[in-house]
Amino acid sequence: DVKVTQSSRYLVKRTGEKVFLECVQDMDHENMFWYRQDPGLGLRLIYFSYDVKMKEKGDIPEGYSVSREKKERFSLILESASTNQTSMYLCASSLWTGGFNQPQHFGDGTRLSIL
Amino acid sequence: AQTVTQSQPEMSVQEAETVTLSCTYDTSESNYYLFWYKQPPSRQMILVIRQEAYKQQNATENRFSVNFQKAAKSFSLKISDSQLGDTAMYFCAFRTGNNRKLIWGLGTSLAVNP
Repeated sequence: DVKVTQSSRYLVKRTGEKVFLECVQDMDHENMFWYRQDPGLGLRLIYFSYDVKMKEKGDIPEGYSVSREKKERFSLILESASTNQTSMYLCASSLWTGGFNQPQHFGDGTRLSIL
Repeated sequence: AQTVTQSQPEMSVQEAETVTLSCTYDTSESNYYLFWYKQPPSRQMILVIRQEAYKQQNATENRFSVNFQKAAKSFSLKISDSQLGDTAMYFCAFRTGNNRKLIWGLGTSLAVNP
């Protein structure tokens, strides 16, 4: 089974801090994604990556950056955390070479609170 | 623009009964892939079922089945013999052709009552 591991289940940070959310997958997937999930707004894509050092902006990239130095690891960075970034963050990965019907596999999520 | 609409924000069903969650989508592409995901309370999002648009036969996974109406751009999920463990948020999503991103609906919160 695919395993997507997010480094923290719960995280509390202060306004203005630089925050790192880490995600690791163990199935050699090409694609990795960062979403934020808010009540009533569903899943919104922040960034995704299709290869090492390659990234593309999603629907809400403002205030975030990402890093993918190794294929298995995809990091989300909040450069200067603000209270409106309090949310649930979900990481996902998917296989690209296996066909277009490949699903995304998700981590457990990180509930981030910015005080 | 490509969109997914889940018209039922909340639903409830009695244990052992059947429930259908609706999903409609909009795309001008002919080649696409449809997915239903389940997110139980405080638990991981998991794939429930998937369907390729070029396949006419509706996908089935145990108690879960879909009613795929391509002309109507409808992809509903039927859950038979509902169980308490089916209580979750259900998301409909699709991806077109060689697009790596999924387009998501806002979800339907399903409560299965004893």
